[in-house]
Amino acid sequence: SQTIHQWPATLVQPVGSPLSLECTVEGTSNPNLYWYRQAAGRGLQLLFYSVGIGQISSEVPQNLSASRPQDRQFILSSKKLLLSDSGFYLCAWSVGGIDYGYTFGSGTRLTVV
Amino acid sequence: QKEVEQDPGPLSVPEGAIVSLNCTYSNSAFQYFMWYRQYSRKGPELLMYTYSSGNKEDGRFTAQVDKSSKYISLFIRDSQPSDSATYLCAMGRNNRLAFGKGNQVVVIP
Repeated sequence: SQTIHQWPATLVQPVGSPLSLECTVEGTSNPNLYWYRQAAGRGLQLLFYSVGIGQISSEVPQNLSASRPQDRQFILSSKKLLLSDSGFYLCAWSVGGIDYGYTFGSGTRLTVV
Repeated sequence: QKEVEQDPGPLSVPEGAIVSLNCTYSNSAFQYFMWYRQYSRKGPELLMYTYSSGNKEDGRFTAQVDKSSKYISLFIRDSQPSDSATYLCAMGRNNRLAFGKGNQVVVIP
């Protein structure tokens, strides 16, 4: 069966520090991968999506970047965190079309202090 | 106008009541309609999905889509405290989903 792993679950980082969040998917090949941020009162904001290795599309210009070094690995990074980067970060995957929606990871709650 | 509108106001109901949630959308190109349930500090999980106008039932849950009015609804019958969560509507086209802001539902025992 397919599973998605996302870590860490909670992270507190100082302003200006770097960030690396990792997401891996098991049990499927060539998934579409997504990074979302969820802030209170703002819903789910799509940050990046990827349809294959090395292919990254950015939805919102910001302080963050994403990479897909392997088929089932998706990484969200920042060189210097801002206070506004605080939020709940979710990785998700889908295969082919979205007939069955996305499957989300358990999320990382990032607090930038 | 946002693609998907969902009133995020919290909703409190007594156990056993019917919960009614809805979303409106502006893009008539949406082909897929879904509801996600999200417990506190967890990722959303897919609850219901449908492609066409009409009703779809799954146990105590009914999803309703009205494409002519660009309106979707989720009904939860005989609500239980375990239904307390945030419910997000989502609509898709071209392999992309647009989400509503989510409705927080609290079922009071």
